Parts: sequence; C-alpha cells; structure tokens
Amino acid sequence: SQTIHQWPATLVQPVGSPLSLECTVEGTSNPNLYWYRQAAGRGLQLLFYSVGIGQISSEVPQNLSASRPQDRQFILSSKKLLLSDSGFYLCAWSVFGTGEQYFGPGTRLTVT
Amino acid sequence: GENVEQHPSTLSVQEGDSAVIKCTYSDSASNYFPWYKQELGKRPQLIIDIRSNVGEKKDQRIAVTLNKTAKHFSLHITETQPEDSAVYFCAAPPSGSARQLTFGSGTQLTVLP
Repeated sequence: SQTIHQWPATLVQPVGSPLSLECTVEGTSNPNLYWYRQAAGRGLQLLFYSVGIGQISSEVPQNLSASRPQDRQFILSSKKLLLSDSGFYLCAWSVFGTGEQYFGPGTRLTVT
Repeated sequence: GENVEQHPSTLSVQEGDSAVIKCTYSDSASNYFPWYKQELGKRPQLIIDIRSNVGEKKDQRIAVTLNKTAKHFSLHITETQPEDSAVYFCAAPPSGSARQLTFGSGTQLTVLP
C-alpha cells in the first residue's frame, strides 16, 4: 500500500531564516505530487504541483520554491521566511489520470 | 479556471439527525468530485467521491449526489454521530484536468450530543 511521509511535523523558525520541508511517497511510481498551505481556520491553497522529476508548476507567486530531485521526493524551500508563511503545509500525491489525491500528515510551521 | 463554492460554512446538527453540505462548480468539463474530512489538527482524508457518469454514490452513512445540469454536488451524512464533527471540503478538477483539484472553502460540521 502507498504511504506518504512529511517531516518535520512541527517547526518554529524566525523571520528571515531558510526553510526546507520534505515529502516522500512509498509504494507507487511516478506519482503526481502537490504542496498545499492551509492558514489557521482556512481552506487549502495549492502552492506547487509536479508530474515528474524536475517538473514543477507554481500556482501562487511567493517567496517559496519547490523541487523534485527524485521520483517520490518533493521538497518545499524558502530562502527567507516571512511571518505570512506560517501555516499547515500539506504534501499530497495522486495517481496520474485518477484525480484522487491523498494527503501526508502535514508540517505545522510557525514563523516568529 | 474552476470556481468551487461551498455552503454552508458552519453547520450544527443534533446527534442522529442528517447533515447536507452543497457545492457548486463552474466548469462543465469537470468530471470528478471528491469530499474530504479534516479533523482538528489532522490531514484531510478522502471519504467519498463521485465521477460524472453516475448521479449518486453511497458508503454506509455517507452519500454524494451529483447534478451535472445544475453543476452542483452534495454530501449527505445520515444518523450523525459526534465523531462526524470536522471540517468537510469538496473539490473539483479545473477544466476536467486530472492533475489538480480546486477546493471549496470548507464546512465546519458540529454534531451536538
């Protein structure tokens, strides 16, 4: 069966510091991968999605970037965090062509 | 692009009653409509979905109905229990794409004991 991992689970970072969040998927090949952000009490905002290694589509212009160095690895980064970057970051995967998305456990980021 | 509107934003029901959450979408090419349940502090979980070739799908106490003509779909929960309390999100793919989902703004369901 498929499993999706995210780490760290929680993170407190000062404004201006860098960020690296990692997501890995097990039990499937060539998944579509997604990064979402959820502000407190709000909906799901799609940040990036990837259909293959090195292929990244950005949905929202911001100070975040994403990379997919391996088939089942997706990384979210920032060079300098802003207060507004605080939130619950969720990675998701889907099988190409099905539309079904499955979420990882999430990383709760607090920028202070 | 796809626009998904979800109503109501909050819903309180007595335990044992039914709950209905409705979503409308704008893109007539959309063909897949999932519902997610998110408990406090947890990840969204896919609980049921429907594709455009059927009008209704049931799974125990939950069901989803789809009206393609009116471009809306609804989640129905019968015999609600306190553990049904959560935020529910609907979604639809933009322009019939299988790559992305546009999510509704969510409904906070509270089941009162």
